[in-house]
Amino acid sequence: LAKTTQPISMDSYEGQEVNITCSHNNIATNDYITWYQQFPSQGPRFIIQGYKTKVTNEVASLFIPADRKSSTLSLPRVSLSDTAVYYCLVGDANTGRRALTFGSGTRLQVQP
Amino acid sequence: DAGVIQSPRHEVTEMGQEVTLRCKPISGHDYLFWYRQTMMRGLELLIYFNNNVPIDDSGMPEDRFSAKMPNASFSTLKIQPSEPRDSAVYFCASNPAGPRSGTEAFFGQGTRLTVV
Repeated sequence: LAKTTQPISMDSYEGQEVNITCSHNNIATNDYITWYQQFPSQGPRFIIQGYKTKVTNEVASLFIPADRKSSTLSLPRVSLSDTAVYYCLVGDANTGRRALTFGSGTRLQVQP
Repeated sequence: DAGVIQSPRHEVTEMGQEVTLRCKPISGHDYLFWYRQTMMRGLELLIYFNNNVPIDDSGMPEDRFSAKMPNASFSTLKIQPSEPRDSAVYFCASNPAGPRSGTEAFFGQGTRLTVV
């Protein structure tokens, strides 16, 4: 499985846009990029998934360059409630190989 | 749907006792996962099932750990005997089959286990 690297922590203020970048140099052709969010005392929650270019949903946007060796999760206008750990995962979304491996994640702290 | 349901939410037990954690996946999901989370080691995949059959148990730390899935709506993770180093939050997650769904898992609230 492709290994991912992301910053350990980030700080931001309410109302700002936050971009968290993840490196995955060994991503395979069939791999998708998936981001999860985890609040304290809760299980991780799926945020967004993409394969290439840009994906947007009601929560976030995911930018993936043409070489797919990295990806950026963009959170528009963060609020205090966005304080959480964000995980980047890479894996084949279409096969039975479902062993999702979580890295260390990025701890985002949003200040008032 | 109520989501993935785990019980108990908290468990405190003495070293050497048997501990059983329970999970009810989302109806219709074909995959079920057990994870363990600690500050030191983060989120670790212990085992996962497909259609009630264990597929990969390479993450199970020792023979003291065992997991079963007797039917599509129930799974257990058992630790016997328990040790203080087993203290962690244990998460169960489920995942539907189908295209592009392989990386979208739905997690339960977790069971916080403390072994004293």
